[in-house]
Parts: sequence; structure tokens; C-alpha cells
Amino acid sequence: DAGVIQSPRHEVTEMGQEVTLRCKPISGHNSLFWYRQTMMRGLELLIYFNNNVPIDDSGMPEDRFSAKMPNASFSTLKIQPSEPRDSAVYFCASSPQAGGLETQYFGPGTRLLVL
Amino acid sequence: GENVEQHPSTLSVQEGDSAVIKCTYSDSASNYFPWYKQELGKRPQLIIDIRSNVGEKKDQRIAVTLNKTAKHFSLHITETQPEDSAVYFCAANPYGQNFVFGPGTRLSVLP
Repeated sequence: DAGVIQSPRHEVTEMGQEVTLRCKPISGHNSLFWYRQTMMRGLELLIYFNNNVPIDDSGMPEDRFSAKMPNASFSTLKIQPSEPRDSAVYFCASSPQAGGLETQYFGPGTRLLVL
Repeated sequence: GENVEQHPSTLSVQEGDSAVIKCTYSDSASNYFPWYKQELGKRPQLIIDIRSNVGEKKDQRIAVTLNKTAKHFSLHITETQPEDSAVYFCAANPYGQNFVFGPGTRLSVLP
């Protein structure tokens, strides 16, 4: 198994531009999570999906952030417009089931820098 | 909601010594407690986990203990090696919800 796949691995963009992060979960996993990690705030859960349905998006910082999961093998996290304070590492993780009952497996992350 | 505290925030030990990191949680319904290791520039990776029906679990040099009454669990690393240097995160799962992560402990193993 290839594990969780994320793209791009690095993204540098200018303030105001749209950014799209992509994630392919482990095949057979029913739950997908998007996290943001910064030195100041640590690891923050932004949103999670169960069976492709968004369950909890209370961690999404504001309307500039949106996430979709059109099918079981693909999810996107979009920031529009981007701001310098969005600079962080964004991790996608997947799990065989939701509810915190099983381990979450993290992807390699996307390191985003907004200038 | 669940609150997970982790101590210490930084820990330095001499190579060969033991390291202990402690986490406390607030929701007594939590029943799964994983530990993740994150090396610099890499993803968090599970190193050991424990469920509420056991008090201790061991895997070679690492072990986790759980005290449900006191609502705390600890990671123990024996015979530390330089490659153990990393940030370690604990997590707990309030019933029906997903992980709440602790703030992390930066472990440095000094040669």
C-alpha cells in the first residue's frame, strides 16, 4: 500500500491567490481528516469526512477555506484567497473508521508558504 | 469537550537513559490512546497505542501505561538513542469523536 498521498509537497504562492491541496487516502479507509500544523498552534483538525460526507468542519478557520471529497479516493482543501497567515504544513490523514476508534495514518504533508 | 495536556514540553536526556512523557485527559469516556512520533520535516507516525481495557503495553524499548482512574497515560522509552530525538504527540478520543492531540513534547537525546 502506498499510504496516504498528498500533492503538492511544497507550494509557494502570493497573497490573494487560490491554493488547492490534494489528498488520496489509503484504499478502504472510510474516514479522512485535514490538519494544519504550525509552531504556534500545533496540530489543528480542520475538517473530517466519513464515507465522503463532511461530518465536522468546526475547525475550518473561516470562509476562505473549503474542502470536498467527491469520492472515496480523493479530497481537496482549497484556500481562496490565500493570506500569509495561512502559511503552515497541511496534513491529510485517513483511518479505517471514524470516532477515534482506530489509528489515523498521515500523509507526507504539503508545506504552504504564502508571500 | 476533551482536553489533552502533555508534559514536559521539552525533554533532554543522555543517550542510554530513559525518557517519560505524561499526558492527561478530561473525558472519562475516552477509550483509545495513541502516541505519534514526528521527526523534523516529516509526518506524525504511530509508534504505540493502548486501549482502555489494558493498563500497559510494551513494544521493544517503548511502553505505554494507562491509569483510567487518574485519567493519565504515559510513554516510556528505555535505552534512548539519538534517533529517538523527535516531537512526540499523545492523543485521546472522547466517545464518538475523533482524536484530540496533546501539544507535543520535544525530546532530545544527547550523545
